[in-house]
Parts: sequence; structure tokens; C-alpha cells
Amino acid sequence: DIQMTQSPSSLPASVGDRVTITCRASQGIRNDLGWYQQKPGKAPQRLIYAASSLQSGVPSRFSGSGSGTEFTLTISSLQPEDFATYYCLQHNTSPYTFGGGTTIEI
Amino acid sequence: QVQVVESGGGLVKPGGSLRLSCAASGFIFSDYYMNWIRQAPGKGLEWISYISNNGAHTQYADSVKGRFTVSRDNAKNSVYLEMNRLSTEDTGIYYCGRLDVWGQGTTVAVSS
Repeated sequence: DIQMTQSPSSLPASVGDRVTITCRASQGIRNDLGWYQQKPGKAPQRLIYAASSLQSGVPSRFSGSGSGTEFTLTISSLQPEDFATYYCLQHNTSPYTFGGGTTIEI
Repeated sequence: QVQVVESGGGLVKPGGSLRLSCAASGFIFSDYYMNWIRQAPGKGLEWISYISNNGAHTQYADSVKGRFTVSRDNAKNSVYLEMNRLSTEDTGIYYCGRLDVWGQGTTVAVSS
């Protein structure tokens, strides 16, 4: 199974900060990776697909990069509504696997 | 508008069974693979299964393989998850969806 190692697990931040979250795959997954945001009590929402493509309706302050085994999600200027938990998901090889999650907190 | 709505969750005893349903609308259902993911209380997301657009191909996480069965009815725009031999570790919120859109989830509680 492909392991997705996500870091950091928690990220103290402030409004206006630039933040970066990383996911490392245990083997190459091309660009078959998505990034999701989840708020308490809500379903996950996809922000980025194919590692670097912005999901329709998602603000442009979110961006993704990477290919192969190393991927990043960047929020260019953190807004109050961005305090949430973020997950990566690889869908290159079954079983698909999520990273462990990163909680951005004040 | 793409929408998926899960149902069928509830309280079940260890060793019991439950069938979850997921109704989809707003897109050509038969064009899409569908997935189930879950989230245990206070934990992260776990992918558990997918079914191909025509139902011919299915995959499962090791944690549910042999106990859970995914199926679909394209005439009813629905996907199902049959869960057997449930344990307390299966407790959580179960979400259905395409990789880009998920429903609001249905809660499964396994407890004696």
C-alpha cells in the first residue's frame, strides 16, 4: 500500500500568513493527488485536483504543486475561514490513501 | 447541481450488519466511479472502497476487505455499502461521493 506522510500535523498560524503543507508518497503516484479541506462537523471539500489544478470555486490563494512523491499545498494569505484541517489523498493505486491531516489553528 | 445523500446509518451491535445507501443527482451517474470514505470520532479520513462506473470493478481497504461489499444501481442513481461483521472500530461517519464531491455523511455506531 502507498503511505502518505503529511506534515506538519498541526500548524499554528495567523491571518495573513503564508502556509505550506507537505505530503510525501512512499512511491511515485504521478500527479494523482488531491487536497481537501474539512471543517468540524462538515464533509471534506476538494481544493486541488491533479496535484496542482484549482477546483472550480476555490479561492486563488490556494495552490498545489508537486509530482511523483512530493507534494505541497500553499495558502498564500491565510483568511479566518481557512482555519480547518487539510488532507491529501492519493488515487493512483488502490487502496487509495489519505495523509494524516494538518490542522491549521490560531 | 451535483449532490449525493447518504442514508442508512444507525446503532448496531458488534458482529451485526448494516446497509448504507447513497443517492446521487445532478450528474450522469453512470459515467462516474463512486467511493466510500469514513472518519472515526476525532480521527482522520480513511478511504474504504470504490466501484467502477458500470459496477464491474470494485476495490477495498484492507480494514474492510471480506466484510464490506459495495454495489450500485445505475437505474436508481444509487450506490450501496453492505457492512457485515461490524466491530467497534467501524464506528464513524461514512461519506459517499466522487473524488470531487462528497455527501454530508451518515453515522454508524457499533456498540453493545
